[in-house]
Amino acid sequence: ETGVTQTPRHLVMGMTNKKSLKCEQHLGHNAMYWYKQSAKKPLELMFVYSLEERVENNSVPSRFSPECPNSSHLFLHLHTLQPEDSALYLCASSLGGGAPYNEQFFGPGTRLTVL
Amino acid sequence: TQLLEQSPQFLSIQEGENLTVYCNSSSVFSSLQWYRQEPGEGPVLLVTVVTGGEVKKLKRLTFQFGDARKDSSLHITAAQPGDTGLYLCAGAQYNQGGKLIFGQGTELSVKP
Repeated sequence: ETGVTQTPRHLVMGMTNKKSLKCEQHLGHNAMYWYKQSAKKPLELMFVYSLEERVENNSVPSRFSPECPNSSHLFLHLHTLQPEDSALYLCASSLGGGAPYNEQFFGPGTRLTVL
Repeated sequence: TQLLEQSPQFLSIQEGENLTVYCNSSSVFSSLQWYRQEPGEGPVLLVTVVTGGEVKKLKRLTFQFGDARKDSSLHITAAQPGDTGLYLCAGAQYNQGGKLIFGQGTELSVKP
């Protein structure tokens, strides 16, 4: 595997379910990100992890809970979601650590539908 | 709130035509990136520009960073159906911990 992978690619869940999204990067990067992409809106940054420490939480509701067990893996735990949480959830990684251009590399995303 | 305004938001053209997409802000960026996203996939990095006035070429795509590093443009020559997709610009600012500010995207459709 190369680059950034995400599983599952598609997820349908009810509002009372609990599920997790997984992201793995094979690029040797130190920073990882969760974004939400909804139709007609710019990408919304949700969480940033640098060297496994959360450094950014953009006022995301507590029903979204990130976890970064090591620099290669990132999870987004979901519980009691709302229909308006339906979106494409993208994971990205970058060199971090003050790298000059912070080029971010994205996974293919998880298309989430909340019924 | 820093904003990156992209225009146009939608563009539908015939194969062989030329087009330009603009990305504007009132903020200064240390670098600016352009991505292309196809339906159901994540954005793919096309180019990073870092110097005011810089021009980079990627086959039929020409990227320019404004002299003041507040704006950028993407020009496609002789567009092809394979160029269809969502084009996103994203700016990085100094001392912002690596965060990128994304524009809302330009949805390009190239018809054969």
